Amino acid sequence: EVQLLESGGGLVQPGGSLRLSCVASGFTFSSNAMSWVRQAPGKGLEWVSTLSDSGGSTYHADSVKGRFTSSRDNSKNIVYLQMNSLRVEDTAVYYCAKRDFYETSGYFNYWGQGTLVTVSS
Amino acid sequence: SSELTQDPAVSVALGQTVRITCQGDSFRNYYVSWYQQKPGQAPILVIYGKNNRPSGIPDRFSGSNSGITASLTITGAQAEDEADYYCSSRDSSGPMFGGGTKLTVL
Repeated sequence: EVQLLESGGGLVQPGGSLRLSCVASGFTFSSNAMSWVRQAPGKGLEWVSTLSDSGGSTYHADSVKGRFTSSRDNSKNIVYLQMNSLRVEDTAVYYCAKRDFYETSGYFNYWGQGTLVTVSS
Repeated sequence: SSELTQDPAVSVALGQTVRITCQGDSFRNYYVSWYQQKPGQAPILVIYGKNNRPSGIPDRFSGSNSGITASLTITGAQAEDEADYYCSSRDSSGPMFGGGTKLTVL
């Protein structure tokens, strides 16, 4: 059974930093791309980042580029999201998701339960 | 950048058929995927690729694509299908989601 478990969320002041973690199990972690997706309170889903299976390639949404960094440790089956220079508008539930592909079209086939990040003074 | 456009809300009578649509230029090049999200829960994948359902998704869910319009059809909607539904694809910037459609089952 695939499981994704996020942690690290909490309350942080604007300009602060936070690191989220996602522990994966139930599949061959090192063979799969992983993503972060967030959802602001009462709003829709927003893609944040994707990491290749090796972690050698990372992609970030323009809204977080230069502030957020994604990485992974394939020896521990963990993916990280380092969030710096946080803004009020970064307040959201952050989901870790397994990224898979049908031909060249990607999709998110498993999601964690999410961790809430609140940016407020 | 491209966008994916969904109707904010749709309703259906119990047991009837409903179609939820999503418009986007990216469908010319990429397949759409669809996600169901119930209040307080994480999204779950219901359709991906040409018209593929993950294990455990009932066969009343199906997907189709015509030009720039993708559709999620629920044939014989059940009370438990009441949820938010999001379409997803990608453009040159990366993955993207539609704004979501709130489905009410009457």
